[in-house]
This record gives sequence, C-alpha cells and structure tokens, in this order.
Amino acid sequence: EAGVTQSPTHLIKTRGQQATLRCSPISGHTSVYWYQQALGLGLQFLLWYDEGEERNRGNFPPRFSGRQFPNYSSELNVNALELEDSALYLCASSLAEVYGYTFGSGTRLTVV
Amino acid sequence: AQSVTQLDSQVPVFEEAPVELRCNYSSSVSVYLFWYVQYPNQGLQLLLKYLSGSTLVKGINGFEAEFNKSQTSFHLRKPSVHISDTAEYFCAVSVIGSGAQKLVFGQGTRLTINP
Repeated sequence: EAGVTQSPTHLIKTRGQQATLRCSPISGHTSVYWYQQALGLGLQFLLWYDEGEERNRGNFPPRFSGRQFPNYSSELNVNALELEDSALYLCASSLAEVYGYTFGSGTRLTVV
Repeated sequence: AQSVTQLDSQVPVFEEAPVELRCNYSSSVSVYLFWYVQYPNQGLQLLLKYLSGSTLVKGINGFEAEFNKSQTSFHLRKPSVHISDTAEYFCAVSVIGSGAQKLVFGQGTRLTINP
C-alpha cells in the first residue's frame, strides 16, 4: 500500500512569489491535514480538509490556503512568500481520527 | 487550549541502555495520545498511540508508553536502545470529539545514542 506522497521534495522560491505544494493521501483516506515544521517553532497545525471541504484552520494568515480535489488529493498554496515561511511542510492523511494519522516525507520550502 | 510538554529537549544515552522520554499534556477532557519519530530529513512515523483501554501501549521498534491519567503523562520507554534509534521524538495529543481533528505536538526530544 502506497503511503502519503508529497511533491516536490524541495522547493526554492523568492520572497513575494507563490508556492504550491501537493499531497496524495493513502488510498481510502478522505481527510488530509497540513502541518508546518519551522526551525524553532515546532510542528504547527495548518489546515484540515475532508470530503473536499476545509474543516479546520490553524493560526496562520489567509495567504496560506489550499484545496482538496475529488480524488482526495490536496494542494497547499502559500502566497506572497516571506522568509519566515521557510520550513518543512508535512501532509498527513487519516481514515478517521481514531485510527491516527499517517504522515508523508514532507516538502522543504526555502524562501530566499 | 491543549498543550504538550516534552520535558527534555535532548537525551544522550549509551547503546543498549534503557531510555525514557517524558511527555506531559494539559487537557481537562479525554484525549488520544501519540508518539511519532522523525529521522533526519524525513517525515513523521507513528511509533504508538493510546486511544482507550490498557494504559500500557506497545509500539514498533521495541518502544512502549504508559498513559497516566492522574498525572496527565504519556512517557515513552525502551529497555535497550540501538544506534538506529537516534532521531527526534514527538509526543502529540488530539482532543476526542472536539471536531477539530488536529494534533498538538510537543517541542520534540532529540535522542542521541552513543556507542
């Protein structure tokens, strides 16, 4: 069974640009979650998508947005990139909360 | 709001020695508890989880954890560590039935195994 896959593995962008990160959940999982792991800030919850809808959002500005497609894959968009957005972005999927969450290997975003 | 405290940011241990990584959480409601491991330049791998039932939970790679509701703790233990256990370990909680479905993570404990 394929795990959670994220692309690209690495992404380098210039301040002010937009970044798009992609995530494919485990087959059968309808929920996708995004987390940011920034140096010194730990792992922070960003977004939760389920059945194509945004269900919950962490304490991040609106320039962090995303969507979930009919096949349950998801995209995270970060607009007007700032240097502080440099981080590892982790995607997770879940069948239901009681089963826990499976994480992908992440996309390392570097803003220069 | 829930919070998770991992009491040690770094734990150095000799190979084949036992180890305990400490985790305390603050929540007045029922929670699910998780331990994840992150190897260098990788994502998070689930070690074990506590949902309900027996307070002693066994996970992968010989790790186990004990849920203590009165002390709001969920400490991770391994009786004999190997060099390959060198990694960062994260404790996380999720509030049951909150509808939020988000994990709140501790700051992580870096476990270093010395030969």
